[in-house]
Amino acid sequence: DTGVSQNPRHKITKRGQNVTFRCDPISEHNRLYWYRQTLGQGPEFLTYFQNEAQLEKSRLLSDRFSAERPKGSFSTLEIQRTEQGDSAMYLCASSLADRELRYTTNEKLFFGSGTQLSVL
Amino acid sequence: RKEVEQDPGPFNVPEGATVAFNCTYSNSASQSFFWYRQDCRKEPKLLMSVYSSGNEDGRFTAQLNRASQYISLLIRDSKLSDSATYLCVVNIRGYSSASKIIFGSGTRLSIRP
Repeated sequence: DTGVSQNPRHKITKRGQNVTFRCDPISEHNRLYWYRQTLGQGPEFLTYFQNEAQLEKSRLLSDRFSAERPKGSFSTLEIQRTEQGDSAMYLCASSLADRELRYTTNEKLFFGSGTQLSVL
Repeated sequence: RKEVEQDPGPFNVPEGATVAFNCTYSNSASQSFFWYRQDCRKEPKLLMSVYSSGNEDGRFTAQLNRASQYISLLIRDSKLSDSATYLCVVNIRGYSSASKIIFGSGTRLSIRP
């Protein structure tokens, strides 16, 4: 399967615990995005990377959230001291963007199946 | 104010009907526009890009009005398989000048036989 892969598919944790999710993008894609989605809402932007550089991070994202993409390939999203409000589907997407420009006018995202987080 | 706003619906229409959705965006520096489709418990998938001149893809027509900052999607001769949530998506310039892709909350469409 050459699509975007996310692990685990489901994660149940107790409040206060730390969790880490992994995303493996389509191999030739240089951009990687993280989104969070709750029932009845659209995906909420969290952060994105171009290669290994984190270019943008949502102002709504608390300091408990951190993401890395150390080698410009797979990425991890860590949530520390989880809260019940963190329960959501965490979606990863990748795209192939112009390597020279920061702005891409026709960028198309390919999503993984997501990680469903439940905080008890 | 949300950066991308959509009527959540649900729109419940009979098979064969024509249905239209609108979406508004707040950032005038928005660069590119898309419609994504999301089936229940599935990930979003690109339906079509939206160009200033308007564009069609089979039964689907997308239009962009930059002056009024809205985007529309028209579905003709709707099929049962069109039942899904339709997400309006905008590529805008972030506070660090990098771009970011923002989704609306989606419009639910249900086609009945």
